[in-house]
Amino acid sequence: AQTVTQSQPEMSVQEAETVTLSCTYDTSESDYYLFWYKQPPSRQMILVIRQEAYKQQNATENRFSVNFQKAAKSFSLKISDSQLGDAAMYFCAYRPGGTGTASKLTFGTGTRLQVTL
Amino acid sequence: NAGVMQNPRHLVRRRGQEARLRCSPMKGHSHVYWYRQLPEEGLKFMVYLQKENIIDESGMPKERFSAEFPKEGPSILRIQQVVRGDSAAYFCASSRTSLNTEAFFGQGTRLTVV
Repeated sequence: AQTVTQSQPEMSVQEAETVTLSCTYDTSESDYYLFWYKQPPSRQMILVIRQEAYKQQNATENRFSVNFQKAAKSFSLKISDSQLGDAAMYFCAYRPGGTGTASKLTFGTGTRLQVTL
Repeated sequence: NAGVMQNPRHLVRRRGQEARLRCSPMKGHSHVYWYRQLPEEGLKFMVYLQKENIIDESGMPKERFSAEFPKEGPSILRIQQVVRGDSAAYFCASSRTSLNTEAFFGQGTRLTVV
């Protein structure tokens, strides 16, 4: 079974600084997808960034980027120029490739990010 | 284009009552996924449905829980004879195809059992 581990229950960053959230996963699959979701106090799950395992290039979305190390099964999220609105729970998630019963996401336990002035 | 709509947002039930949680997927989406989030935990997969079919229910408790996604109308997650341990946030996500590399989530229903 696939597992996703987020070893940092809480992180703190000052506004305008950079922070990196860690995620490791375990799988025997070669084709899969990795995600970072943001959950603000409103509880809405918001997709931040997605990485396809077959792509060597790290995904980037504006101030958010990932460091995908396939051999190490590591998938960290870097937030640059942190803003107060970035404060939230961040969840790392895994999905195997394919369809049908492969369609479910496996989530980590989350990292609570605080942004201070 | 409205997003995934879940209602109610908050639901309080006494022990032994039934809870019905509704999820209307985004327009054009025929695949629905239900997840449960216990306090201070990540989301756990419960069930994946396509119109009128259950594709994967490997995360559903064997008793008291059921889900449906009829041809017309929203998907329903039904919990019979609720217990305190059922208190959680229940999220629904939908996708256009089963290759849901970008599933869209609703805002969840917070169920409190008193």
